[in-house]
Amino acid sequence: KAGVTQTPRYLIKTRGQQVTLSCSPISGHRSVSWYQQTPGQGLQFLFEYFSETQRNKGNFPGRFSGRQFSNSRSEMNVSTLELGDSALYLCASGTGGGDTQYFGPGTRLTVL
Amino acid sequence: EDQVTQSPEALRLQEGESSSLNCSYTVSGLRGLFWYRQDPGKGPEFLFTLYSAGEEKEKERLKATLTKKESFLHITAPKPEDSATYLCAVNSGGSNYKLTFGKGTLLTVNP
Repeated sequence: KAGVTQTPRYLIKTRGQQVTLSCSPISGHRSVSWYQQTPGQGLQFLFEYFSETQRNKGNFPGRFSGRQFSNSRSEMNVSTLELGDSALYLCASGTGGGDTQYFGPGTRLTVL
Repeated sequence: EDQVTQSPEALRLQEGESSSLNCSYTVSGLRGLFWYRQDPGKGPEFLFTLYSAGEEKEKERLKATLTKKESFLHITAPKPEDSATYLCAVNSGGSNYKLTFGKGTLLTVNP
């Protein structure tokens, strides 16, 4: 069974630009979560989607948004990028019942 | 709000020297406690899920245990390839499907 895939793997953007990251979950998984990982803060929850509905959102500004499609693929968008948005963005998929989440390889975003 | 504290922050072992990593948690209604391994620049790799106090799970040189307040990841006779950051996370009844992670333990196993 294929794992969670994320594209692109690496991105370099400048301040003020916007970016869209994509995540394809494991086949059959309907829950997709997004996390931001930085050396100082560790892994922090951004949001979780299940069957196209956002069920929970972390403490991030409104510049961070996401959506999920009918095939469970998900995208997250960050608008008006700031230097502090440089991080590894991780996507995880699961069955949706609070059970095990499986992570993708991440997208490394660098904001210059 | 759920809280997870991992100790030590870093641990250096000699090959074959067994040890344990600690994960202390505070939650309202534990749904699950999860252990992951993360190599530099990669996504976390799932290791174990524990659901209730007294539960134990093993995989190769790793064994995870759970009490009502903490979890231990025991590493028996580690090898250099076990070097990684080990992350602990919890999911609770009050957290609405999100995982709350500890900061991790960076394990280095020297040959």
